[in-house]
Amino acid sequence: DTEVTQTPKHLVMGMTNKKSLKCEQHMGHRAMYWYKQKAKKPPELMFVYSYEKLSINESVPSRFSPECPNSSLLNLHLHALQPEDSALYLCASSPPGGDTQYFGPGTRLTVL
Amino acid sequence: AQSVTQLGSHVSVSEGALVLLRCNYSSSVPPYLFWYVQYPNQGLQLLLKYTTGATLVKGINGFEAEFKKSETSFHLTKPSAHMSDAAEYFCAVNLNTPLVFGKGTRLSVIA
Repeated sequence: DTEVTQTPKHLVMGMTNKKSLKCEQHMGHRAMYWYKQKAKKPPELMFVYSYEKLSINESVPSRFSPECPNSSLLNLHLHALQPEDSALYLCASSPPGGDTQYFGPGTRLTVL
Repeated sequence: AQSVTQLGSHVSVSEGALVLLRCNYSSSVPPYLFWYVQYPNQGLQLLLKYTTGATLVKGINGFEAEFKKSETSFHLTKPSAHMSDAAEYFCAVNLNTPLVFGKGTRLSVIA
């Protein structure tokens, strides 16, 4: 298995909803990442988990809450989002001591 | 600090013509360099990467890139463009840090 999977593919939510994005990989990678990508822009790093511990938080608002339950799974919990949070959310992973990140297909999030 | 500059936000080529997408990096030491491709509404797919060793790197879909330390460049080329190459291309760099992306170049291929 050489891929990163993300669910759901699309998500529409209201500003008062609570939802979660899920990312999974079975490549034995020990670093996992969340990115946010707006249209016609490069991905922006949000969070990095290394060996299931949060190692980087790029000053992301608390309405985004990451979780890494085990080495294969990464979640992003969403609460009280704003319309400007609408974007493509990408997950990536990289092997131990490795330099290459492998990306999932993304979740297209729309906040109404 | 590392940075990446992609020259040209939009490049348009004819089908069958040479593709050249430019990337220059800024780093105090030679970093690791990557090219990713993104098709509409999809994630990023790794095209190729340079870490150490041979400076001419071959990737998927007929693309290749050459690391030139003297020019701090890592330009992406393909001898003959195909319609399916139309996409957004990102150059990225890292050296013991998370990836730093360029702003991207949108490649259009004209029939």
